[in-house]
Amino acid sequence: AQKITQTQPGMFVQEKEAVTLDCTYDTSDQSYGLFWYKQPSSGEMIFLIYQGSYDEQNATEGRYSLNFQKARKSANLVISASQLGDSAMYFCAMREAFLGGGYNKLIFGAGTRLAVHP
Amino acid sequence: DSGVTQTPKHLITATGQRVTLRCSPRSGDLSVYWYQQSLDQGLQFLIQYYNGEERAKGNILERFSAQQFPDLHSELNLSSLELGDSALYFCASSPPGGTGELFFGEGSRLTVL
Repeated sequence: AQKITQTQPGMFVQEKEAVTLDCTYDTSDQSYGLFWYKQPSSGEMIFLIYQGSYDEQNATEGRYSLNFQKARKSANLVISASQLGDSAMYFCAMREAFLGGGYNKLIFGAGTRLAVHP
Repeated sequence: DSGVTQTPKHLITATGQRVTLRCSPRSGDLSVYWYQQSLDQGLQFLIQYYNGEERAKGNILERFSAQQFPDLHSELNLSSLELGDSALYFCASSPPGGTGELFFGEGSRLTVL
């Protein structure tokens, strides 16, 4: 069964520094997708970045990059130049192969709470 | 704004009661997913619908049921409510094709007293 593990319940970083949030996954599928979402204190879920299992290059979206190491089954999120507004809960998620008739559900990790200090 | 609409945003009710949460997916999205997030927890998958049909079931209690209607909106019914059902309930939708990214509504916060 697929599983997502986020081992860091909480992290803190100084403003303008970079931070890495860890995520490991387990799946027997060859085709899968990895996602990171941000959940600020207001509660909404904000999509940050996506990496497909066949993508050879690490995904980047602005200050976010995904350090994808397929052999290690890890998909760490790197936030560069942290800002106070980055303080939030961050969730790693995975979907397995396309089911046919809609994509498979996402399975989420337990999350990492990031605090950015001035 | 993700384009997914959930109502109500907040709901307070008593144990033993029944509530209905409503979700309208983004225009063109056929898949609807329901998730439950208890306090300081991750998101637990409840159920998925695709174009009106149940596609996958997660850890959804027998007291809970859902459906997706012909206009693609979905409802999650929670009955015989218990204190432990207090949570943030998310609806999400995804478009055909693409990466499988889920677009989430703002959630319905249920408090059972």
